[in-house]
Amino acid sequence: AQSVTQLGSHVSVSEGALVLLRCNYSSSVPPYLFWYVQYPNQGLQLLLKYTSAATLVKGINGFEAEFKKSETSFHLTKPSAHMSDAAEYFCAVSDLVNNNDMRFGAGTRLTVKP
Amino acid sequence: ETGVTQSPTHLIKTRGQQVTLRCSSQSGHNTVSWYQQALGQGPQFIFQYYREEENGRGNFPPRFSGLQFPNYSSELNVNALELDDSALYLCASSALQGGSTDTQYFGPGTRLTVL
Repeated sequence: AQSVTQLGSHVSVSEGALVLLRCNYSSSVPPYLFWYVQYPNQGLQLLLKYTSAATLVKGINGFEAEFKKSETSFHLTKPSAHMSDAAEYFCAVSDLVNNNDMRFGAGTRLTVKP
Repeated sequence: ETGVTQSPTHLIKTRGQQVTLRCSSQSGHNTVSWYQQALGQGPQFIFQYYREEENGRGNFPPRFSGLQFPNYSSELNVNALELDDSALYLCASSALQGGSTDTQYFGPGTRLTVL
């Protein structure tokens, strides 16, 4: 079965600092990988997705993630944090064809300090 | 293009009652998935509907059931509510074509509280 592990339930950075949110996956078949963001009392918004094309994926709001098969990782980065980036971030995995069982990580809460 | 909408926004029920949550999929999408997100956790897959039939199910008991309608909107029904059913219920729509599905787009969720 596929799964993802998000390392660190809470990450705190200063405004303007690098954001790094870690995600490792486990999958017996080539995976689809996703990062979603959730603001308080809202649903999930797609930041970016990896679907076996380019390994470096650029998303919205300046975020990007790199698929590293050798490390089974899909970490999310942003060069310079903004106060508006404070939210909960979820990494998710599904397989290439059968996207009817997306597995989410437990989430990482990002706090941005002024 | 309209996004995914869910109703109601909030709901309070008592243990043992039944509840129905509703979801309207994004224009052009034919697949709806439902997720349960307990407080402080990631979403858990409940089931998916495609062309009015269940197309995959997670580890949830039969008292969680669903429907999809010809216009691709969907309902999630939960019978015999338990306290642990208190959660945010998220609906996501996507397009299933040629045997594979595209990205899932989520609605704002329905917050269910069971007392």
